[in-house]
Amino acid sequence: NAGVTQTPKFQVLKTGQSMTLQCAQDMNHNSMYWYRQDPGMGLRLIYYSASEGTTDKGEVPNGYNVSRLNKREFSLRLESAAPSQTSVYFCASSPTGQNSPLHFGNGTRLTVT
Amino acid sequence: AQSVTQLDSQVPVFEEAPVELRCNYSSSVSVYLFWYVQYPNQGLQLLLKYLSGSTLVKGINGFEAEFNKSQTSFHLRKPSVHISDTAEYFCAVSDSNTDKLIFGTGTRLQVFP
Repeated sequence: NAGVTQTPKFQVLKTGQSMTLQCAQDMNHNSMYWYRQDPGMGLRLIYYSASEGTTDKGEVPNGYNVSRLNKREFSLRLESAAPSQTSVYFCASSPTGQNSPLHFGNGTRLTVT
Repeated sequence: AQSVTQLDSQVPVFEEAPVELRCNYSSSVSVYLFWYVQYPNQGLQLLLKYLSGSTLVKGINGFEAEFNKSQTSFHLRKPSVHISDTAEYFCAVSDSNTDKLIFGTGTRLQVFP
């Protein structure tokens, strides 16, 4: 049972380049999330999807877009990468929102030079 | 809106000593509270959760936490720590109005022999 799978594990981009971070879960969860983790700042919510076909902004959505492609997949896109987007990105899923624990992927370490 | 404060960014402790990691939250409605642990180069794993009922919650690896509504706190405790407990610990809050989980900035627990 794979759980939450993120690809790639590592990525280096130049300023202005674009890329998409992929996330897939095999637990039939309704809700999916994208967080970024920066030293001293904990995890901050970028976007989330409470159910297939819906997406909502989190705390730090600027510079990002998301797509809930189907129930399994939730991708995060950087259209024009900036050094401030250097971070570790985590995807997570849960059966529902509110009181359901999140299941996390192992993260994508992104460096923008 | 909810928020979470973890007062200690680092907690050094010797092996077999007790430890308390502090967490305070703010929310205007009923809350759901969580503690997660992150080992190096991994995603987050659920330690324990408070949804309702008994205010003392027991989790994995011998950890427990107590929900104190009057003090808006959810401190994490362990009576005797091991070297293997060295990790970063995150407190998180959700509530009945939202599907979002908001994290604190984390506390790094360092256990010394």
